[in-house]
Amino acid sequence: DGGITQSPKYLFRKEGQNVTLSCEQNLNHDAMYWYRQDPGQGLRLIYYSQIVNDFQKGDIAEGYSVSREKKESFPLTVTSAQKNPTAFYLCASSMAGQAGELFFGEGSRLTVL
Amino acid sequence: GEDVEQSLFLSVREGDSSVINCTYTDSSSTYLYWYKQEPGAGLQLLTYIFSNMDMKQDQRLTVLLNKKDKHLSLRIADTQTGDSAIYFCAESGMFSGGYNKLIFGAGTRLAVHP
Repeated sequence: DGGITQSPKYLFRKEGQNVTLSCEQNLNHDAMYWYRQDPGQGLRLIYYSQIVNDFQKGDIAEGYSVSREKKESFPLTVTSAQKNPTAFYLCASSMAGQAGELFFGEGSRLTVL
Repeated sequence: GEDVEQSLFLSVREGDSSVINCTYTDSSSTYLYWYKQEPGAGLQLLTYIFSNMDMKQDQRLTVLLNKKDKHLSLRIADTQTGDSAIYFCAESGMFSGGYNKLIFGAGTRLAVHP
């Protein structure tokens, strides 16, 4: 079955540590996205990538980094510079030019202790 | 700027109709979308409407669009407990690089009770 796989589903981190969230898709989609979800605030875009080896900052990129070395993979690193990293992180993908029809993973919940 | 607003909570009785409302600001949006998020999961596209349409019906779902007032609504007929979820309204926008993007509202949590 085609889809998007995020891992881990739950992650605990101590303050000052970097953590990397994995996102893999087998839908052959060109575009991939990372969103952050906080209660009552909806989804905010962190980074997006329209093609391999290229990515752009979204609305809240500070304290995050990404890479897009393969079409299937778009990992997100939450660095120690992110002041409030506890959140639910969602990865999504879409066909090129169809950013409205997003396919989402199941999400990763990060808690900073 | 671009903004999408929704009420945060709606409670309905099982079997009744639910109406979730949304207002948006970008009159140039080509499409408007409804996504559904079940507890602890990602979002899934429920339906969408092209901006030159007033209404779209898909089984129990009816989407109404009032472009003049920039108002979008989602009606769920015969609401069931399985419809309990967060519903997100989204409008299409544009990244600075020229690529399309989605702007999401905060989501409306629908609670269905017996």
